[in-house]
Parts: sequence; structure tokens; C-alpha cells
Amino acid sequence: DADVTQTPRNRITKTGKRIMLECSQTKGHDRMYWYRQDPGLGLRLIYYSFDVKDINKGEISDGYSVSRQAQAKFSLSLESAIPNQTALYFCATSSSRGSGSVYEQFFGPGTRLTVL
Amino acid sequence: DQQVKQNSPSLSVQEGRISILNCDYTNSMFDYFLWYKKYPAEGPTFLISISSIKDKNEDGRFTVFLNKSAKHLSLHIVPSQPGDSAVYFCAATGTASKLTFGTGTRLQVTL
Repeated sequence: DADVTQTPRNRITKTGKRIMLECSQTKGHDRMYWYRQDPGLGLRLIYYSFDVKDINKGEISDGYSVSRQAQAKFSLSLESAIPNQTALYFCATSSSRGSGSVYEQFFGPGTRLTVL
Repeated sequence: DQQVKQNSPSLSVQEGRISILNCDYTNSMFDYFLWYKKYPAEGPTFLISISSIKDKNEDGRFTVFLNKSAKHLSLHIVPSQPGDSAVYFCAATGTASKLTFGTGTRLQVTL
């Protein structure tokens, strides 16, 4: 069973539409992140949340919003999608506690979003 | 401003030989470094990490070397196997616990 799941896995939408990407995790981690991957640019941080009441902007938050509905759920919204938001989106989690590194993040399988 | 750089977009290595992937960083506040591996249609998976208090960390076939004075780290894979063919990302972090990723290097291990 996947520990970090993302829905949908693929989505094609039109310019101006509102779209939500969802992330759920069963790892019991308190920290969650949203990244986008573009060719030649690597992974860039959009938003992150260190607990349910904590939301922080990453390096490329313009045009995006997030909601942390519960410790296990973190959704990313594009209020009015534009073509340059076409990318691969990843959700990730990490734990501030436990025996492993607090810096190690666990990624979901990704959502491929195309904005026409 | 790319704080973590992987200057080689791709690398091809013969099976059984050593693969060396390089990464440079500019932010002197980074004190922990990680390597992730990514297969197509999957999310990145953690491979190995190193703290700035060390200069080497080894895990099986994978070794990461850190040269703080040069702000450079490298990942060595010995021996390389066809299953190692993937995109490798280096990442760095400091006290903020956020990861800054490089642009990735695509490794192809040929038979």
C-alpha cells in the first residue's frame, strides 16, 4: 500500500479553470509539502506545512493556494489555471519526530497536470 | 538563483563501472545534504544523506562525499547496475528544514 497518495494522477484542464490536487498520507507524519517539477528546473517548493495550523509559502507560491484539512491531508489548488502551470506535481511528507532524519522526505507518485 | 547545481544533465556509464554524480551549492548555511533517485512515473525516493560534520557516508554500493570548502558533493555508485538507471537529484537544507533541490542528472547504465 502506498504511504503517500496523490489524486488525480493525470489531469488535463483548460485555462481559467479551478483545479484541486489532493494528497493523503498514512505515515503519521506531521510535515507536508507540495513541489512542482519542470524539465531542466528540478523540484521547486510551492507550499509547505509543518502542522495542521501552519502553512508557509515556498519559492514559487504565486497562483497557488493550499489547505491542510487534517494531519494526513494536504491539498493544492490552482484558482485559475494557466498554461505555464503545466508540470508534474509532487506531494511529500516528513516527520519532525522519530528515529529517522527530520530532513528525509517521502514523495507521492506525482500528478501530471496539463493546462491547455 | 540556483543554490544547488547539478551541471551534468546526463551521464552514461557501463555496467560494473563507477558512476560519479556531482553537485555544487552556493549557500554556506546548508548543513545537511541528500540524494534522491527518481524513476519515470514515480516520485523521488531517498537514497543517502550526509551531515556537514562528515566528509563521507557509505551505504552499500552508494557513497556520498562532501567537500565543504569547495561547496561540492558527489555520489559514487560502485559497481553500477542497469537498475541504477534513473534521474538523481541532490538536495540541501539548513535550519529551516526545507529542501532545495538541484536540477537532476539522468544516469544511464549500459550493458
